Amino acid sequence: GQQVMQIPQYQHVQEGEDFTTYCNSSTTLSNIQWYKQRPGGHPVFLIQLVKSGEVKKQKRLTFQFGEAKKNSSLHITATQTTDVGTYFCAGNYGGSQGNLIFGKGTKLSVKP
Amino acid sequence: NAGVMQNPRHLVRRRGQEARLRCSPMKGHSHVYWYRQLPEEGLKFMVYLQKENIIDESGMPKERFSAEFPKEGPSILRIQQVVRGDSAAYFCASSPPGREKRGYTFGSGTRLTVV
Repeated sequence: GQQVMQIPQYQHVQEGEDFTTYCNSSTTLSNIQWYKQRPGGHPVFLIQLVKSGEVKKQKRLTFQFGEAKKNSSLHITATQTTDVGTYFCAGNYGGSQGNLIFGKGTKLSVKP
Repeated sequence: NAGVMQNPRHLVRRRGQEARLRCSPMKGHSHVYWYRQLPEEGLKFMVYLQKENIIDESGMPKERFSAEFPKEGPSILRIQQVVRGDSAAYFCASSPPGREKRGYTFGSGTRLTVV
């Protein structure tokens, strides 16, 4: 079946260091979404990427969608303690009307 | 403008009892999705509903689980004869109509514990 692989599973950084999480799908995606979940909280939508090779920025966060629309990355520059949480990518394959396939997430911890 | 409302936030059930989880989508949203999250895991799709219709239930276990989204009232996820393995966080999400997929708005979830 369709699967979205996400690495790394955990990432521990010192405050001020950069952070990157990667998502990969074996088949072409219609679009990909990114979510953040704080400890004990619920997923919060960050962004959606649709076009091949698309790059979007939100302050210190940079999101990329691969040329083949099979992979994506989220890069955070100069992490802060407020960035702590789990970052999930979620792939949409277009066929199913509502079935977003989530990766297992990357849990980010930031040491002050 | 209230977000997606889920209740209860926490639910404890003994093995064999029934669990009913409720979800009211955001105003103007007609699409509801249920996801299950085990500790340290991602979210697993269960079911996608529109008013009075189940659109995709490919992620729902064949037995004991059912979902509905009636014309009036919240969407209900029902788990009959719960077992310890049903312990998880259940999140509901909603989105507005339209073919263009948009980000989902998630509720705060229901944490189900089966004892």
